Amino acid sequence: AQTVTQSQPEMSVQEAETVTLSCTYDTSESDYYLFWYKQPPSRQMILVIRQEAYKQQNATENRFSVNFQKAAKSFSLKISDSQLGDAAMYFCAYTSGSEKLVFGKGTKLTVNP
Amino acid sequence: EPEVTQTPSHQVTQMGQEVILRCVPISNHLYFYWYRQILGQKVEFLVSFYNNEISEKSEIFDDQFSVERPDGSNFTLKIRSTKLEDSAMYFCASSEGIGLKVQQYFGPGTRLTVT
Repeated sequence: AQTVTQSQPEMSVQEAETVTLSCTYDTSESDYYLFWYKQPPSRQMILVIRQEAYKQQNATENRFSVNFQKAAKSFSLKISDSQLGDAAMYFCAYTSGSEKLVFGKGTKLTVNP
Repeated sequence: EPEVTQTPSHQVTQMGQEVILRCVPISNHLYFYWYRQILGQKVEFLVSFYNNEISEKSEIFDDQFSVERPDGSNFTLKIRSTKLEDSAMYFCASSEGIGLKVQQYFGPGTRLTVT
């Protein structure tokens, strides 16, 4: 069974600094997608960034980038130049093409001014 | 930008009562989902729904759960006889299609408290 593990329940970062959130996963599939979702307090979960397993190049979306290590089954999220609006729960998720997403427990990110 | 909406934001009910959680998916989406997150636990898939039928469900989605699209806009999750362990955040999601590249769009969730 596929599993996703986020080992950091909480993280904090100073405004303008860089923070990395960790995610590991377990799967026997060869093709899959990995996602990072952001959930601000009392708001929708929104997609931050996604990575296809077949692509070697790490995905980047503005200040958000991933470090995808397929052999190690690791998928970390780096947030550069952190802003107060980045404070949220961050969920790592996986899909191998079935209709369901498999999520981790989430990491609560606090951004300190 | 279109959003998935959910009502109510918080529902308190007594054990054994029936609850209906409501969702309005994005209007041109065809696939609908329910997930739940028990406090401190992972977000877990419950069920997916397409063309007025359940297309996939997890082992959590037992006979006490049902889903329905009663009209062209709403998507509901019914829990027939709530248990204490049903207390959780319930998220609705929708997508245009299925497959690796398809993005699921989530609602803000309904917090269900069973007392």
